[in-house]
Amino acid sequence: TQLLEQSPQFLSIQEGENLTVYCNSSSVFSSLQWYRQEPGEGPVLLVTVVTGGEVKKLKRLTFQFGDARKDSSLHITAAQPGDTGLYLCAGARSSASKIIFGSGTRLSIRP
Amino acid sequence: NAGVTQTPKFRILKIGQSMTLQCTQDMNHNYMYWYRQDPGMGLKLIYYSVGAGITDKGEVPNGYNVSRSTTEDFPLRLELAAPSQTSVYFCASSYYRDPYYEQYFGPGTRLTVT
Repeated sequence: TQLLEQSPQFLSIQEGENLTVYCNSSSVFSSLQWYRQEPGEGPVLLVTVVTGGEVKKLKRLTFQFGDARKDSSLHITAAQPGDTGLYLCAGARSSASKIIFGSGTRLSIRP
Repeated sequence: NAGVTQTPKFRILKIGQSMTLQCTQDMNHNYMYWYRQDPGMGLKLIYYSVGAGITDKGEVPNGYNVSRSTTEDFPLRLELAAPSQTSVYFCASSYYRDPYYEQYFGPGTRLTVT
């Protein structure tokens, strides 16, 4: 069974601080995605990384795929209250239609 | 495009009742999925479909059934509802953008079984 473990489960920080959340697995994925989910809504895709060592930036968010394609990190610089939400990572193999989700990191940014 | 739409938004069922959760997408995606999300948790795959007429079980299929007669629609059937099926249900569709699948989610159906 492929598992994706996210850490931390919960994170509450002050506006303006930096943070990193992690997504780890013992399995290799051909791609790994990060989603953000706000209360009462479905997840929204933020980014997809496909190459080992790949780094992608989305404004203040930086995503990295591990060299071995088993792990990923999301770093947020100068967090804003609008960053609050549940962050989910999801991994897939190119030969399968199924996407495996991690259990999520619930992020709260205090003004 | 409306994207992925789900009905109803909320439903309360009594134990043993049945219902169908509706899901429709207008993006002509071949792949469709049903997930459930329990409070404070990630998503667990119930069933998925790679095209009309083709469905397969996910991680937690027991107590559910699906059908896929058209590309657009992927209803989820609950037979004999149980309290353990209290959850938020998300439908998603995706297309293959080599080498990954890009998924789009509906707004969810919040189901309570009492």
